[in-house]
Amino acid sequence: DADVTQTPRNRITKTGKRIMLECSQTKGHDRMYWYRQDPGLGLQLIYYSFDVKDINKGEISDGYSVSRQAQAKFSLSLESAIPNQTALYFCATSDLKASGNLYFGPGTRLTVL
Amino acid sequence: QQQVKQSPQSLIVQKGGISIINCAYENTAFDYFPWYQQFPGKGPALLIAIRPDVSEKKEGRFTISFNKSAKQFSLHIMDSQPGDSATYFCAVPVRGNNRLAFGKGNQVVVIP
Repeated sequence: DADVTQTPRNRITKTGKRIMLECSQTKGHDRMYWYRQDPGLGLQLIYYSFDVKDINKGEISDGYSVSRQAQAKFSLSLESAIPNQTALYFCATSDLKASGNLYFGPGTRLTVL
Repeated sequence: QQQVKQSPQSLIVQKGGISIINCAYENTAFDYFPWYQQFPGKGPALLIAIRPDVSEKKEGRFTISFNKSAKQFSLHIMDSQPGDSATYFCAVPVRGNNRLAFGKGNQVVVIP
């Protein structure tokens, strides 16, 4: 079984809809991250969490919110989706002692029409 | 805001050739400089990383060369294979908040 799983893997939605992307990990890591990938723009950090009670904004947090429900679960929400949020979204985890070594999930491809 | 610049944006190499991609950064926090490899349809995965107490690290066909004074590090892929065709991201620790800033990626295509 994969160490970092994301659901759904693909989602097509309409402008204005609320969307939740979920991430679960079995690596026992404290740190979890949500990244967005757009062609030519690389990986941009949306939000990150260093433990259950810790939530931090990344580079592009506007229009997004997160919830760290447990050490193993970190969800990303788009309260009112817009077309320019169409992208590939990755969840990642890292260990406290090796925060430069990220383990990425398989990604969620989101299309907002 | 950490600036991380990768070059070239894309690279086409013949099988057996050497692929060289570069990463330049402005500032950094802790000393750890990784390269990630991403295949189409997959999440990035750590390929190789270096700490700047050494200038070079080799793992199989992959080598990182680090130049601390120039704030640059590069990835060399020796004897490039079609299976190396992927997007490569460098990352640099961000000062002050213990996380990584990624470059925009280098697409490497190895043709048979």
